[in-house]
Amino acid sequence: SQQGEEDPQALSIQEGENATMNCSYKTSINNLQWYRQNSGRGLVHLILIRSNEREKHSGRLRVTLDTSKKSSSLLITASRAADTASYFCATDRSGNTGKLIFGQGTTLQVKP
Amino acid sequence: EAGVTQFPSHSVIEKGQTVTLRCDPISGHDNLYWYRRVMGKEIKFLLHFVKESKQDESGMPNNRFLAERTGGTYSTLKVQPAELEDSGVYFCASSRLGQGRGYNEQFFGPGTRLTVL
Repeated sequence: SQQGEEDPQALSIQEGENATMNCSYKTSINNLQWYRQNSGRGLVHLILIRSNEREKHSGRLRVTLDTSKKSSSLLITASRAADTASYFCATDRSGNTGKLIFGQGTTLQVKP
Repeated sequence: EAGVTQFPSHSVIEKGQTVTLRCDPISGHDNLYWYRRVMGKEIKFLLHFVKESKQDESGMPNNRFLAERTGGTYSTLKVQPAELEDSGVYFCASSRLGQGRGYNEQFFGPGTRLTVL
């Protein structure tokens, strides 16, 4: 079964609005990471949240982690057109050697 | 600090040919990972090096794929012979050896887009 499943698969909002993306996973994890991929480009690391953390902030990004529900959310506040990209969550499972398990991703479109 | 670099950025080859992809990790990063994204599907793990040793190659699809990391610096991923289903984007990532669980922020390269015709 696939770990790190995001929803929604696609999200379209207006500039200035907030965007929330969710991620669910199935097994215990060491940490969960969020990445962004702009069209045709590489993955950019956004934020890492460890299994013993519940919330983390970085600029306009807010990530929460609920290990009891095996879920995480990424909130982008005051979105900008430049935030248009695909967003992926990836989990580093407990006992693993650090390999990441990715979900399908959420495609975010921010309209100017 | 330079990021992870990959070469080439694009490669178009015919079925049956050989292609070699290269990844240069961030200096000082002992962990090196290969991933790939086949069109329309999720990014999948291929293998993991710690320095020059293969730590985990459970994601390698078959024996047409060969990865090396001689000297523990850059890595190569060779596909021989290439098949149509090998088309996709191949990503490399690197990270420092963790000081404990949960310390594994991976930095990705821009990827190599491979097209097999």
